[in-house]
Amino acid sequence: DIQMTQSPSSLSASVGDRVTITCQASQDIRSYLNWFQQKPGKAPRVLISDASTLHTGVPSRFSGGGSGTHYTFTITSLQPEDVATYFCQQYDDLPLTFGGGTKVEIK
Amino acid sequence: EVQLLESGGVLVQPGGSLRLSCGASGFTFAKFAMGWVRQAPGKGLEWVSSMTGTGGHTFYTDSVKGRFTVSRDNSKNTMYLQLDSLRPEDTALYYCARAHDDAVTGSAGSFDYWGQGTLVTVSS
Repeated sequence: DIQMTQSPSSLSASVGDRVTITCQASQDIRSYLNWFQQKPGKAPRVLISDASTLHTGVPSRFSGGGSGTHYTFTITSLQPEDVATYFCQQYDDLPLTFGGGTKVEIK
Repeated sequence: EVQLLESGGVLVQPGGSLRLSCGASGFTFAKFAMGWVRQAPGKGLEWVSSMTGTGGHTFYTDSVKGRFTVSRDNSKNTMYLQLDSLRPEDTALYYCARAHDDAVTGSAGSFDYWGQGTLVTVSS
């Protein structure tokens, strides 16, 4: 199974700050990576697919990058509505696997 | 607008069974692979099962093989998950999700829409 190691597990930042989350895969996943946002009591919402493709309707302050085994997710200017838990997920191979999540809070 | 609506989650005793449903609308259901993902209380996300659009291919995570069965009725735009021999560790919110196309991996297999989830509680 492909292990996805996501860091940090939580972070606190100020409105307007740049926030970066990383996901390390245990093997090359060929950029087959999603980033999801999940707010309390809500379903996950896909923000980015194929490591860097912004999903329809997602604000441009969200971005993704990386290749091979190392991937990053960035919020260029943190907004209050971005308070949520963010997950990465690989879909290069079964079983599909997820990172442990990063809880983002406002300082 | 793509919509997915899960139902069927209940409180069930260990060893019991139940069937979850995922009703879909807003797209041509038969042309897309679908999947189930679960989230135990306070925990992360775990993929459970996926199925291709025609239903010809099904896939499961190891911990549910032989106990869970995924199926779909394309005439009713509905996917099902039959859960048998339930264990306390199966307690979770079960989400259904749509793939980007008719595949379970690769770009076409990326989950792009999710339902709100249905809660399964396994307890005596």
